[in-house]
Amino acid sequence: SAVISQKPSRDICQRGTSLTIQCQVDSQVTMMFWYRQQPGQSLTLIATANQGSEATYESGFVIDKFPISRPNLTFSTLTVSNMSPEDSSIYLCSIRDSPNQPQHFGDGTRLSIL
Amino acid sequence: DAKTTQPPSMDCAEGRAANLPCNHSTISGNEYVYWYRQIHSQGPQYIIHGLKNNETNEMASLIITEDRKSSTLILPHATLRDTAVYYCIVRVARGSTLGRLYFGRGTQLTVWP
Repeated sequence: SAVISQKPSRDICQRGTSLTIQCQVDSQVTMMFWYRQQPGQSLTLIATANQGSEATYESGFVIDKFPISRPNLTFSTLTVSNMSPEDSSIYLCSIRDSPNQPQHFGDGTRLSIL
Repeated sequence: DAKTTQPPSMDCAEGRAANLPCNHSTISGNEYVYWYRQIHSQGPQYIIHGLKNNETNEMASLIITEDRKSSTLILPHATLRDTAVYYCIVRVARGSTLGRLYFGRGTQLTVWP
């Protein structure tokens, strides 16, 4: 399966600032997704990153807080805006090569907000 | 997507088979059963998936009941490295580009020496 690289792997940020997380895949993929995993919790889907159009957000997540870009079939970014301590989580990029294939995950970005 | 129910935790002796159950009584005819695991500090790892027939790969076997309302993931010879949270997920897969994965709380499997 494709190799998924996320940058940064971890960061510590000040409240009120924003951080952009990058997801790079070593081959073209149809679908890219962003998930959040809060401490001790399961994964929650934030949005589907659509190539060439606005992302599709899940209930409870909005574009102003989590703007997403997907300029091509191998790259996407997630920005966590105006961060507060509640945004301290692991943010994971996920891909699916084609509709009939399983979804695969990167190792995530561990974000702590002070 | 259908909901799943899993026991919060299980343990297993190293070298023995680990059998992880999952209930999905509201599963629809076009929904597949997927299993993932998450080892600490890593992203979820795909294990196996199936529709209604039993499936086996190099990692595990998946047994789905005839009525498809439950399934069991079998790790035939558990090792310490199989200690992880195991997630059972059902979603529309074949022919759909909209079948996203929604995670429940999973089962924490602990393999002891």
